[in-house]
Amino acid sequence: SQTIHQWPATLVQPVGSPLSLECTVEGTSNPNLYWYRQAAGRGLQLLFYSVGIGQISSEVPQNLSASRPQDRQFILSSKKLLLSDSGFYLCAWSVWRVQPEAFFGQGTRLTVV
Amino acid sequence: GNSVTQMEGPVTLSEEAFLTINCTYTATGYPSLFWYVQYPGEGLQLLLKATKADDKGSNKGFEATYRKETTSFHLEKGSVQVSDSAVYFCALVQGAQKLVFGQGTRLTINP
Repeated sequence: SQTIHQWPATLVQPVGSPLSLECTVEGTSNPNLYWYRQAAGRGLQLLFYSVGIGQISSEVPQNLSASRPQDRQFILSSKKLLLSDSGFYLCAWSVWRVQPEAFFGQGTRLTVV
Repeated sequence: GNSVTQMEGPVTLSEEAFLTINCTYTATGYPSLFWYVQYPGEGLQLLLKATKADDKGSNKGFEATYRKETTSFHLEKGSVQVSDSAVYFCALVQGAQKLVFGQGTRLTINP
């Protein structure tokens, strides 16, 4: 069966420090991969969307970047964190040719101090 | 582009009350429609889905019917429980395109 791993679960980082969040999917091939951010008490903001290795669509210009070095690995990065980068980050995957729904990881709670 | 609009929250109900959370969408063609649920501190879980017009998705006592004529996918439950307290998201996807979410509705059920 398919599973998604997202880590770390929580992270406290100082302003100006770098960031790397990792997401991996097991048990499937060629998934679409997503990074979302959820600010406290708010909805989901799509940050990045990838349909294949090296193919990244950026939805919101900001302080973050994403990479997909392998088919089932999706990494969210920042060179210098801002206070406004705090939030709950969610990775998700889907394989639209098989079934239309997306499946989510457990999320990473990032607090920038 | 595609979009989803769901009712503003928060919604507060008493246990055993009837629940409706409205969701309408804008899309060309025939998207697949979903309801996701998010419990505190967790990721999103798929609650139910419908992939074509007039389909009814159901799970855990929740239901939603894909209404093409009104472009709606309202979530309903006949008798809510305290454990249903969560944030509910309506969403759609069309083929290989990106998943699109509504803004979420926070539901609180009081005993």
